[in-house]
Amino acid sequence: EIVLTQSPGTLSLSPGERASLSCRASQSISSTYFAWYQQKVGQPPRLLIYGASTRATAVPDRFSASGSGTDFTLTINRLEPEDFAVYYCQQFGSSPETFGQGTKVETK
Amino acid sequence: VQLVQSGAEVKKPGESLRISCQASGYKFTTFWITWVRQTSGKGLEWMGNIDPIDSNTDYSPSFQGHVSFSVDKSTTTAYLHLRSLKASDSAIYFCARQESPHPGAVPLDVWGQGTTVTVSS
Repeated sequence: EIVLTQSPGTLSLSPGERASLSCRASQSISSTYFAWYQQKVGQPPRLLIYGASTRATAVPDRFSASGSGTDFTLTINRLEPEDFAVYYCQQFGSSPETFGQGTKVETK
Repeated sequence: VQLVQSGAEVKKPGESLRISCQASGYKFTTFWITWVRQTSGKGLEWMGNIDPIDSNTDYSPSFQGHVSFSVDKSTTTAYLHLRSLKASDSAIYFCARQESPHPGAVPLDVWGQGTTVTVSS
């Protein structure tokens, strides 16, 4: 099983700042089968980015992602109030598919 | 395009449970249905998925033997079956649709609203 480890656990930032979230895999994975999700309280997760860098429908371009192999990064430029949420990474190329434990982006 | 799940459930230990996930707005057989569990202690857990075309399933080892998936193509509904419930099964269960893996495949792009399950004596 591929273990995904996200860091930091919590990121305290102010609106307008840049957020950089990390996800590290226990073994090399194809970026084709890597995704990021956003989840707000009381809602299901929302797909943000897949294929390591393709934004899903209606996702603003302040969200971007990069990475390959074992290290992946989600960047949120100029945080908006609605961006404060929990973010999860996922690999879906190897069974069992796995999620990271999440990074909470909170208001400083 | 939406997935609508059945409502919250309260069950006793040892009982069984079936959660439904009705798809609409797209061709049901063109996407797998994936089930995800969320608990406060463990975040999101991939339980497995089912291909509505042939009901082929892939279960996470963490859930193998304790859960099963099925579909009814006539009603475009997927089901999660949980048996011998324990208190530790208390969680929110989500269904989501997913393309079968291929370059450019879109993962979990549409989610159900979640079904809260409480197991308590």
